Amino acid sequence: NAGVTQTPKFQVLKTGQSMTLQCAQDMNHNSMYWYRQDPGMGLRLIYYSASEGTTDKGEVPNGYNVSRLNKREFSLRLESAAPSQTSVYFCASRQGRSNQPQHFGDGTRLSIL
Amino acid sequence: DQQVKQNSPSLSVQEGRISILNCDYTNSMFDYFLWYKKYPAEGPTFLISISSIKDKNEDGRFTVFLNKSAKHLSLHIVPSQPGDSAVYFCAASAWNSGGYQKVTFGTGTKLQVIP
Repeated sequence: NAGVTQTPKFQVLKTGQSMTLQCAQDMNHNSMYWYRQDPGMGLRLIYYSASEGTTDKGEVPNGYNVSRLNKREFSLRLESAAPSQTSVYFCASRQGRSNQPQHFGDGTRLSIL
Repeated sequence: DQQVKQNSPSLSVQEGRISILNCDYTNSMFDYFLWYKKYPAEGPTFLISISSIKDKNEDGRFTVFLNKSAKHLSLHIVPSQPGDSAVYFCAASAWNSGGYQKVTFGTGTKLQVIP
């Protein structure tokens, strides 16, 4: 019963390096999301995908790109990492579009030096 | 502009007593509210929710109250147990112009239940 799986769990990058965070869900959910969590800031939406083949910007999309590879997978890419992107990243999925809770992965802790 | 606010970063409660976590919001378009619980090194997990047409929803030891006129909701945990020690996030959702239900999270309240 995996739910939402994120890889890697931890990563350290140097400024300017690129990286892709992977997310996969096995619940046949239509919608998928990427959030970042920073101290005192709560969870802020980076990008979301309401359905396979569509992606849209959230609150804090700058410096990130996403790919909804198929219904199961939604990846987040940092093209040129910056120290301000040091954060914990959570992927989530949800069935349907309304009034359903999101299911979260366990997060990727990313440090950029 | 923080549309969902949890003004208490932390809360300590004795085991067996009531825990009350508070959340305020500013956007009157929010029509659905959720609480999530988060343990260290894990993702948030859904706890309980309430629609804007209700003022109370109960699930076992957890009750959420909604006061729309005050734009305030609260989560009551009775009785509190040590396993309830976690960070609790309040979240609120509203439909945007693109036909998508956007969810906004609060900053979280860390609850410690003391045995």
